[in-house]
Amino acid sequence: DQQVKQNSPSLSVQEGRISILNCDYTNSMFDYFLWYKKYPAEGPTFLISISSIKDKNEDGRFTVFLNKSAKHLSLHIVPSQPGDSAVYFCAAKNGNQFYFGTGTSLTVIP
Amino acid sequence: DTAVSQTPKYLVTQMGNDKSIKCEQNLGHDTMYWYKQDSKKFLKIMFSYNNKELIINETVPNRFSPKSPDKAHLNLHINSLELGDSAVYFCASSQEGNQPQHFGDGTRLSIL
Repeated sequence: DQQVKQNSPSLSVQEGRISILNCDYTNSMFDYFLWYKKYPAEGPTFLISISSIKDKNEDGRFTVFLNKSAKHLSLHIVPSQPGDSAVYFCAAKNGNQFYFGTGTSLTVIP
Repeated sequence: DTAVSQTPKYLVTQMGNDKSIKCEQNLGHDTMYWYKQDSKKFLKIMFSYNNKELIINETVPNRFSPKSPDKAHLNLHINSLELGDSAVYFCASSQEGNQPQHFGDGTRLSIL
């Protein structure tokens, strides 16, 4: 039973445009949400996070939005760069447990 | 200066064997984890462990067992390996509270 879902397995975006990656969750007890970036043959690396008491967190080109009523999380990357091409996982935390989505493979086309 | 390191990076072995994967973190984190990434790329939690409790995902076969000699290490032992155990196994650690996990680079286990 997957509590965190990423329904788009892949996304292609032109360099310089906005990339929007989406994530839905089912457990209202989640209180902390994260996005990770993963390159092939490497482990996921932390990108940005947001607490459940906020609805937006920004870090440079990366912004995470949280809509608690819709149980929806999104990551915006502006402007997208070819080096952003990777698999992006969203995750949610309850207590000491993290739950991951299945990932979205982002390709930024030069 | 690797924060979370796991060895070996690749492990090829035969069905029925017993193997171990080691994990060490130098971040001073309280909690360590093991994940299995299957062929569908889903990161599934297997265990989380700190000095207070071990939480085991009930779907994990008892052939898998975590061993923590100290706070900085959480090794994964697997007995009687099966074909379905082929996957990438990731170790991670985190601090308590709203803090992200840090991951190792994974161990690619292939069962012949």
